[in-house]
Amino acid sequence: AQSVTQLDSQVPVFEEAPVELRCNYSSSVSVYLFWYVQYPNQGLQLLLKYLSGSTLVESINGFEAEFNKSQTSFHLRKPSVHISDTAEYFCAVTPVNGATNKLIFGTGTLLAVQP
Amino acid sequence: DAGVTQSPTHLIKTRGQQVTLRCSPKSGHDTVSWYQQALGQGPQFIFQYYEEEERQRGNFPDRFSGHQFPNYSSELNVNALLLGDSALYLCASRGLAGGPTDTQYFGPGTRLTVL
Repeated sequence: AQSVTQLDSQVPVFEEAPVELRCNYSSSVSVYLFWYVQYPNQGLQLLLKYLSGSTLVESINGFEAEFNKSQTSFHLRKPSVHISDTAEYFCAVTPVNGATNKLIFGTGTLLAVQP
Repeated sequence: DAGVTQSPTHLIKTRGQQVTLRCSPKSGHDTVSWYQQALGQGPQFIFQYYEEEERQRGNFPDRFSGHQFPNYSSELNVNALLLGDSALYLCASRGLAGGPTDTQYFGPGTRLTVL
């Protein structure tokens, strides 16, 4: 079985400051890793994903995440946040050899960007 | 190109009643998954439908059932509603021959309140 831990339920940060949202996972098999973002009153949108290859993956809006297999982590970072980045961020995994692409999510981290 | 759509947006029911939620997948997608997102929690996988059959099921009781139609749209039915069923219900779709690496697209969700 797999599980995902997001230790920070809320991360307040000032605009233009850097931020890191932490994600750790547990799994007995290899997994693919994802970060999803949920804006208020909206569904989930894929932010970025790690499937294979380079352990550093980037999104089009400046976020990046690094897969660390030894620490079973997939932390999300952004060097300079904007007010518009305020949202709930969910880390998720799915088994590499799973029959379906069922996603196992963490409990989410609310990124609250303040002016 | 319409994304994943869900109806209704909001729903209020009383304990013991039955509810049906509907989902239309993104154009070109044939696989539909349902997730339950309780307040303050990450989404939990309910089940997935492909070729009109349930392919995988999460840890949910038989009160939760579903259906997929020939046009790939799907319904989620919940019988004998409990207060604990109050949540945002998300539908996700992916494309033909997709696997664990294929991006799932989420709808905006249906907010179910059980009184």
